[in-house]
Amino acid sequence: EVQLLESGGGLVQPGGSLRLSCAASGFTFSSYAMSWVRQAPGKGLEWVSGITGSGGNTYYADSVKGRFTISRDNSKNTLYLQMNSLRAEDTAVFHCAKGGPTVFGAFGFDYWGQGALVTVSS
Amino acid sequence: DIQMTQSPSSLSASVGDRVTITCRASRSIRSSLNWYQQKPGKAPKLLIYAASSLQSGVPSRYSGSGSGTDFTLTISSLQPEDFATYFCQQSYSTPQTFGQGTRVEIK
Repeated sequence: EVQLLESGGGLVQPGGSLRLSCAASGFTFSSYAMSWVRQAPGKGLEWVSGITGSGGNTYYADSVKGRFTISRDNSKNTLYLQMNSLRAEDTAVFHCAKGGPTVFGAFGFDYWGQGALVTVSS
Repeated sequence: DIQMTQSPSSLSASVGDRVTITCRASRSIRSSLNWYQQKPGKAPKLLIYAASSLQSGVPSRYSGSGSGTDFTLTISSLQPEDFATYFCQQSYSTPQTFGQGTRVEIK
């Protein structure tokens, strides 16, 4: 059974940093692209970042480029999102999501974690 | 960035109704269009990928069609468990983008 379990969310002050983790199980982690998708309270879905299976290529939304870094450790089956210079508008539930063999293409996100709440507030 | 526009933003329907939601991309995304269902407090669930392929385990009353810029999600006979919010998503290029969502409510 595929499982994705996020951790690392919490309350942080504006300008602060936080690192999210997503522990994956039930599939060959290194064979699939992974993404982070966030949802602000009461709002829609926003793709944040994606990474290829090998970790060699990364992609970001303009809203987080230069502040967030996605990475993965295939030996630990774990996806990460390092978030720096956090702003109030980054407040959201962050989901990790399993994609296809590439970051883009005719694939959807077939498995999602339940999400980690990140609150940026003073 | 490719903009995704869903319509309607909300609709009211009865059990047994046929429901259609549309999604339009600001430029061609070929068939790289996915549909999700989300219920309050839950993660989204993939229903349709590649515009018209039914995800494993999803009831056959769900179907998708379209290519290029115009896409449709159809629920042939609405069931009580289908009341939720539906999102389209283009996975043709990064940044991947979602539609704003369509809330399906009970009439």
